[in-house]
Amino acid sequence: DGGITQSPKYLFRKEGQNVTLSCEQNLNHDAMYWYRQDPGQGLRLIYYSQIVNDFQKGDIAEGYSVSREKKESFPLTVTSAQKNPTAFYLCASSPDRGTDTQYFGPGTRLTVL
Amino acid sequence: QKEVEQDPGPLSVPEGAIVSLNCTYSNSAFQYFMWYRQYSRKGPELLMYTYSSGNKEDGRFTAQVDKSSKYISLFIRDSQPSDSATYLCAMTIYTGNQFYFGTGTSLTVIP
Repeated sequence: DGGITQSPKYLFRKEGQNVTLSCEQNLNHDAMYWYRQDPGQGLRLIYYSQIVNDFQKGDIAEGYSVSREKKESFPLTVTSAQKNPTAFYLCASSPDRGTDTQYFGPGTRLTVL
Repeated sequence: QKEVEQDPGPLSVPEGAIVSLNCTYSNSAFQYFMWYRQYSRKGPELLMYTYSSGNKEDGRFTAQVDKSSKYISLFIRDSQPSDSATYLCAMTIYTGNQFYFGTGTSLTVIP
């Protein structure tokens, strides 16, 4: 089955701790994205990567970091510098200039205790 | 001004009604247009995808793009309670680049 997987589905973190969210895709897509979704605010772009070993900041990158060492994987680290990390995090991927579009993973719900 | 504007609703309709969801945008460079359906606490699911002006039909769903007016619509015919979800419009200049999303419209179809 081709698709995007995110793990874990639910994640709890104590204040002051860094935490890493996993995102893997087997669609052979070049581009990958991380979004944050809060009630009433729609999707906000955190980071995106169009190619391995390269990524760009989105609208709300502060307090987050990413890596893109493999085409299939785009992990997101939520650092202790992120002041309000409790949210629903969505990973997506798309081909680069292809005829297909962007697809989403099932999401990770992060709660800071 | 936001790149993409979408009425957040909420929208409530009786079962069997025709639903019209709309988005406007400001960037004339957008070429690819999408509609996603999102159930509560799930990832958005791609419903419709088009890269030209005009209508595209898929079952009960019709996507309409008017590039001259910078306006896109999603029509749902014979709406069902299972259509109750949040609908997000999205668009991009080219795939692989940044995608721009509306804030989503919450739809409830009442049996």
